[in-house]
Amino acid sequence: QVTLRESGPALVKPTQTLTLTCTFSGFSLSASGMCVSWIRQPPGKALEWLARIDWDDDKYYSTSLKTRLTISKDTSKNQVVLTMTNMDPVDTATYYCARPSPCGGMTFDFWGQGALVTVSS
Amino acid sequence: QSVLTQPPSASGTPGQRVTISCSGSSSNIGSYAVNWYQQFPGAAPKLLIYDNNQRPSGVPDRFSGSKSGTSASLAISGLQSEDEADYYCGAWDDSLNGLFGGGTKLTVL
Repeated sequence: QVTLRESGPALVKPTQTLTLTCTFSGFSLSASGMCVSWIRQPPGKALEWLARIDWDDDKYYSTSLKTRLTISKDTSKNQVVLTMTNMDPVDTATYYCARPSPCGGMTFDFWGQGALVTVSS
Repeated sequence: QSVLTQPPSASGTPGQRVTISCSGSSSNIGSYAVNWYQQFPGAAPKLLIYDNNQRPSGVPDRFSGSKSGTSASLAISGLQSEDEADYYCGAWDDSLNGLFGGGTKLTVL
């Protein structure tokens, strides 16, 4: 059974760096063809794709946010970490990690429950 | 503003057939599979349609998807009150970005 769970701070201050961890089970990121993505959703607004990391450590970032994002994985811990620098109130959102299947598309068959991050001083 | 364009709202009465459109370009919908997600308030999105017109197990056959050129559609037949939710289309893009539509809020009157 595949599960994903996001964890991280619920509140960050403007200009700070956000670090979110996705802990998953039911699959291995060291297995060929596996990958994990991050997606966010500001309150009352649409979904926004952020980043993806593949089993072979290939990484893909949202063009509009790539200067602020870093995605990494720890296969031994079954975790994917997303960092976002220079946080701003407009980054307030629920952040989801999800598994794309297959890697190269937008078919997310499993999602975490989401982590609400509020950016405020 | 989302690259994939959806109507912000749609509505229908129980039993009706409703369609939601998703418009893109040759670099996304025109080249890649379209997926649809259903989202209820306070919950994570759920995969509804993948590969343009495939239903995951457990999704009722009242839900169907289609794609033509640079546009796609989600159709819901036999509309039920429990279908009231937000619906999002998603597709990959040649820019190596994932894209979602702006979402459509479906109201069952």
